[in-house]
Amino acid sequence: QQPVQSPQAVILREGEDAVINCSSSKALYSVHWYRQKHGEAPVFLMILLKGGEQKGHDKISASFNEKKQQSSLYLTASQLSYSGTYFCGTGLIQGAQKLVFGQGTRLTINP
Amino acid sequence: EPEVTQTPSHQVTQMGQEVILRCVPISNHLYFYWYRQILGQKVEFLVSFYNNEISEKSEIFDDQFSVERPDGSNFTLKIRSTKLEDSAMYFCASTLNTEAFFGQGTRLTVV
Repeated sequence: QQPVQSPQAVILREGEDAVINCSSSKALYSVHWYRQKHGEAPVFLMILLKGGEQKGHDKISASFNEKKQQSSLYLTASQLSYSGTYFCGTGLIQGAQKLVFGQGTRLTINP
Repeated sequence: EPEVTQTPSHQVTQMGQEVILRCVPISNHLYFYWYRQILGQKVEFLVSFYNNEISEKSEIFDDQFSVERPDGSNFTLKIRSTKLEDSAMYFCASTLNTEAFFGQGTRLTVV
């Protein structure tokens, strides 16, 4: 069963913050975040593993609450380049495996 | 930086024809995947491949589809007798362990 992302779409002005959530009905081992621009491949952002960790680079960070089976992606002081569709992909086991993706969250950043 | 490469970038084919989509995964990666994305929808898992055999496949991956690793570098997806509903973006991905990297995709249009 696919994870559920919320919200489905977000429109922000440059410099504003956004949070994108990803919830699963299954116990997760990993959550993988990707950003996809129109007509392009999904680009890997980060992976969070079981253990409830938090990660980040630049102004994009994420958390993973394995008990709640949820992950959140935080984008702070958004830039125009952050526009795109964000997908979470979930993994159930350790190591290499297929990813089950959510339906995506379309983020639009306006000047 | 190593990347997954896919060819062709765009393929137009007549309904009923066979197509072969090609991928060159990152050279030291061991696990290979094909995903599909119908326009505007989420990325869907088709098949995973490890140690020269299919390790998992989705219900989408029926007898119409097959995968091969004909040599040490290429990984192909063959679609026999294409249908209109096969029109989609097909992504190849590879991973060494956990982080999956996607190719730029092949846009398949069945007419």
